[in-house]
Amino acid sequence: KAGVTQTPRYLIKTRGQQVTLSCSPISGHRSVSWYQQTPGQGLQFLFEYFSETQRNKGNFPGRFSGRQFSNSRSEMNVSTLELGDSALYLCASSVDRILNTEAFFGQGTRLTVV
Amino acid sequence: AQSVSQHNHHVILSEAASLELGCNYSYGGTVNLFWYVQYPGQHLQLLLKYFSGDPLVKGIKGFEAEFIKSKFSFNLRKPSVQWSDTAEYFCAVHPDGGATNKLIFGTGTLLAVQP
Repeated sequence: KAGVTQTPRYLIKTRGQQVTLSCSPISGHRSVSWYQQTPGQGLQFLFEYFSETQRNKGNFPGRFSGRQFSNSRSEMNVSTLELGDSALYLCASSVDRILNTEAFFGQGTRLTVV
Repeated sequence: AQSVSQHNHHVILSEAASLELGCNYSYGGTVNLFWYVQYPGQHLQLLLKYFSGDPLVKGIKGFEAEFIKSKFSFNLRKPSVQWSDTAEYFCAVHPDGGATNKLIFGTGTLLAVQP
């Protein structure tokens, strides 16, 4: 079956711009989580969506936002980009609770802010 | 605050050497524990997971991990590494008692296996 698909794979933006990243979960998966991966910081949790509702949010500024559509696809948006937002953004999907299954990760979107 | 520590940032081993990667977490409640691996250019994949029961967990590709509750540790082991094990390894904790799918990751350990 198809895995988690993230688009685009690579993105270069200028400081002050905004960006939207997309994540299509595995078919049948209703939970989508987003993580920011940077060297030295590892993966940091951004937010999780389940059935179009944000179920949990990490410690990131309000410039980071997301949403989930009725088909479980999710988008995250970063407004007023800063150089420090350069990172690999990963999306993970799971059927429901991670206790009963596992989280499957996409290959990520590499965002470079110049 | 909840956190996960991976003390080895870079590990270099020769093929056939034994591997142990340390992972310690800080969280007072019930935890579920994971090890993920990220091979060069590939997505993050689950190696193994611990939810309950036998604290010695076996995963894919010959990896295993032991949960020691008294030490808040979940170290990853492999008796004999191969060149193909070169990757970055992440320990993760699921601390919310199952209410959400939030994972807290360590900063990762980059393993290089020399042929």
